[in-house]
This record gives sequence, structure tokens and C-alpha cells, in this order.
Amino acid sequence: DAGVTQSPTHLIKTRGQQVTLRCSPKSGHDTVSWYQQALGQGPQFIFQYYEEEERQRGNFPDRFSGHQFPNYSSELNVNALLLGDSALYLCASSTLGRGGGETQYFGPGTRLLVL
Amino acid sequence: LAKTTQPISMDSYEGQEVNITCSHNNIATNDYITWYQQFPSQGPRFIIQGYKTKVTNEVASLFIPADRKSSTLSLPRVSLSDTAVYYCLVGMDSNYQLIWGAGTKLIIKP
Repeated sequence: DAGVTQSPTHLIKTRGQQVTLRCSPKSGHDTVSWYQQALGQGPQFIFQYYEEEERQRGNFPDRFSGHQFPNYSSELNVNALLLGDSALYLCASSTLGRGGGETQYFGPGTRLLVL
Repeated sequence: LAKTTQPISMDSYEGQEVNITCSHNNIATNDYITWYQQFPSQGPRFIIQGYKTKVTNEVASLFIPADRKSSTLSLPRVSLSDTAVYYCLVGMDSNYQLIWGAGTKLIIKP
């Protein structure tokens, strides 16, 4: 049973460019959440997708957008990259259930470096 | 939104039992408490989840007092490979958004 997978593992971009990160959820999961984790800090919630719609959003600008496909996989897009966008981007999958009790399973992350 | 407070760091030795306590004074009635472990440059790994009293699995125990304003993760007989950052999370039933604190950096020494 494959867990959560993310691609690519590492990425280097320059300021102003756009980036797309991809995530495939754990088998049987229908909900995908994205997090940004700066070095030495805890993950920060970006948004969550369910049934191809954004259900919840954290305090991130509109430069961060996403998409969920019918097979539950998801993409995170970041436009007009800033140096401060350099971070580990984590995808987590879960099943829509009792809200706070749902267990999220994380992928290995994509390390983004913006130069 | 419920906020969690954990010690920034802890040290222990191989073979010892380690207890990490998390405070969550504003926990709501329907919130769950979840602990994750994270190694450098890897995604967090689920350890244990509970609502009240005590929960035990093959890797850890979680103790939650009756008022649920705190919780303690107990790791029995730690090894060097348990060196990691441990996050305490309070799950929000209302908006499904997990609140991540700064975590506790646990260092296990030989």
C-alpha cells in the first residue's frame, strides 16, 4: 500500500518564477492538505482540498493556489516566487470524517529553494 | 483557536522513558489530541491520537487528564533513533485545521 507521494523531491527556482508541486494521497484517502515548513519551524497550513474544492485556507496570499483532481491527487501552484517561499512543502492526506479526529498522513515533502 | 505549548527541547539517554508534556488550555469539547514525530527533511509521522484518559499503541502512550488542558506523550525505552522533533496538535472539529506549535526537539544520548 503506497503512502503519500510527492514530486519533485527538490526544486530550485529564481524569484518571479512559477512552480507546481504534486501530491498523490494514500490509497483510500479523499482529502489533501498542503503545508509550508520553513527551516526550524513547525508546518504552516496553506489549504485543504476535498471533492476538488478548497475547503479551508490558511493565512497565505493568492499567489498560492491549488487543485484537486478526480483521482484525489493534488497540485500546489505558487506564482511570482519570493525568496521567502523557500521551504519544505508538505502534502498530507486523510479521509473526511470527524474533523479534528482525522489522522493526516504526510508525504516526504518537496524542498523548494528560491534564488 | 486552541494553541499548544511544549518545551522547546529535551535531552535523555538510551533506555530511559521520556515524557513530553503539551499544554492546550483552550481545547474544545470535540477536539482530539495528536502527536507527530519528524526527522530532518522528512514529513511528519503520526505517532498517537487520543481524546481522553489513556491511549497506548506499539510505540507510545498518551496520557490525558480529565480536564484535557494538557497531555503527555510517553516514549518507553528510547533509542538514538528517537532523536527527532515531536509535535503536539489539537484537532479542530469546526474547521479541520490542525494547529502546529513549534514542537519539542528531543535528543537522545548514548
